[in-house]
Amino acid sequence: DTEVTQTPKHLVMGMTNKKSLKCEQHMGHRAMYWYKQKAKKPPELMFVYSYEKLSINESVPSRFSPECPNSSLLNLHLHALQPEDSALYLCASSHELTYEQYFGPGTRLTVT
Amino acid sequence: AQKITQTQPGMFVQEKEAVTLDCTYDTSDQSYGLFWYKQPSSGEMIFLIYQGSYDEQNATEGRYSLNFQKARKSANLVISASQLGDSAMYFCAMRGPFSGGYNKLIFGAGTRLAVHP
Repeated sequence: DTEVTQTPKHLVMGMTNKKSLKCEQHMGHRAMYWYKQKAKKPPELMFVYSYEKLSINESVPSRFSPECPNSSLLNLHLHALQPEDSALYLCASSHELTYEQYFGPGTRLTVT
Repeated sequence: AQKITQTQPGMFVQEKEAVTLDCTYDTSDQSYGLFWYKQPSSGEMIFLIYQGSYDEQNATEGRYSLNFQKARKSANLVISASQLGDSAMYFCAMRGPFSGGYNKLIFGAGTRLAVHP
């Protein structure tokens, strides 16, 4: 089973709202990733968690706050976002000994 | 620094024919790997195939094969017997050295493939 799930599928939020994106995998992977993808562009890495610790933050604004409560779950907390943050947010996971990253279906976020 | 280049913004192919999607890369690392992902309009990134820099044989997975030419720094994807369901965006990606149990992927700009009946 190579399934990564993400909720919600779609999210519309105002600039003053607080919301969270959720990602879950049950493949025993110990590395989890958040990517942001604007329309017609490739995904861009935001954060990497390895063994539930934040390993990479690609200079992401603090209005995005990641959290890894356990090895299967990854959250992205959103607060005071800007319209330019509207994008597809993809979660991925990988095994600590192999290279392939498996992606979830993504959350399409619209900031109004 | 690593770089991935996909020079074909869009490609067309007739159903049942083969198609080659181009990917060139640049890196100073000795250990690296190349991936191809498919992204349908639904948004999910689907892993297709992987080639490591030390792999001597070209990778194959069903109808997908990776034409790896290390000296030319190219890693082209060949899709044989195209199907209508192959219509999607295709991304070439590269990983750097593996450490800490994770690896960073750098993606190319992508190629949109349209399969015509």
